[in-house]
Amino acid sequence: AQKITQTQPGMFVQEKEAVTLDCTYDTSDQSYGLFWYKQPSSGEMIFLIYQGSYDEQNATEGRYSLNFQKARKSANLVISASQLGDSAMYFCAMREFDYKLSFGAGTTVTVRA
Amino acid sequence: KAGVTQTPRYLIKTRGQQVTLSCSPISGHRSVSWYQQTPGQGLQFLFEYFSETQRNKGNFPGRFSGRQFSNSRSEMNVSTLELGDSALYLCASSFAPGEEYNEQFFGPGTRLTVL
Repeated sequence: AQKITQTQPGMFVQEKEAVTLDCTYDTSDQSYGLFWYKQPSSGEMIFLIYQGSYDEQNATEGRYSLNFQKARKSANLVISASQLGDSAMYFCAMREFDYKLSFGAGTTVTVRA
Repeated sequence: KAGVTQTPRYLIKTRGQQVTLSCSPISGHRSVSWYQQTPGQGLQFLFEYFSETQRNKGNFPGRFSGRQFSNSRSEMNVSTLELGDSALYLCASSFAPGEEYNEQFFGPGTRLTVL
C-alpha cells in the first residue's frame, strides 16, 4: 500500500494566488513526521516545511503552511501569494519509526504570470 | 556553511560496468541517506548510514551497496549496471537519526545514464 498519496499530478496557478497541494498518508505509528520538499528542474530537493504528529498547531514557514488533519491523515501544503519561482515539483514525505523517508509521487506546479 | 555536495554530477556508463558515487554531508552531520529517483518509480530510499554503520536499507538488490567513512563522507556503488539503473541519485544528510524532527538536507544529485 502507498504510504504517501499525492493525487494531483499537475496544477496551474495564477501569480499572486494561493494553491493547495493535497497529501494523504498511511501509517500505524503514533509518532511520525511529515515533510514537504520542492524540487526545481535543477534536481535538488529543497526542504519547505515540517509537521510532527504530536504538533497541535499547523506548521507555517513564510508563504508555506501545512494544513494538518490528523484524523483524516492528510497534510496539505498551502502556498500563498504564488510567485513564478514557485514553479517546480512538490513532494510530500513521511518519516516513521524506522527513520526512512517515504515520498509521494509529487505534484508539478506551474505558476502563470 | 557549505551544503551537501555530490560528485560527479553527471555520469554515463554502459551496461555491465560499475559506478561509484560520492556524497559529502554538511559539516557536523553524521547521518547520510541515499535515494534513487526515476520517472517510473519516483523517489525510493536506498540506504542510510550513521557513524560508519548502515542503519537502514531499502528494497534494492545487492548490486547496490554503500559505505560511510569516519569523516561522514559516503559512497554508494552499483555493480553490473542495468539500463533500469538510469536515475537521479540523491544524497541527504542530517545531524543524526533517532530524533523526531530530523530535517534532511539534500544534495544536487548525480544523474546516472546507463547505455
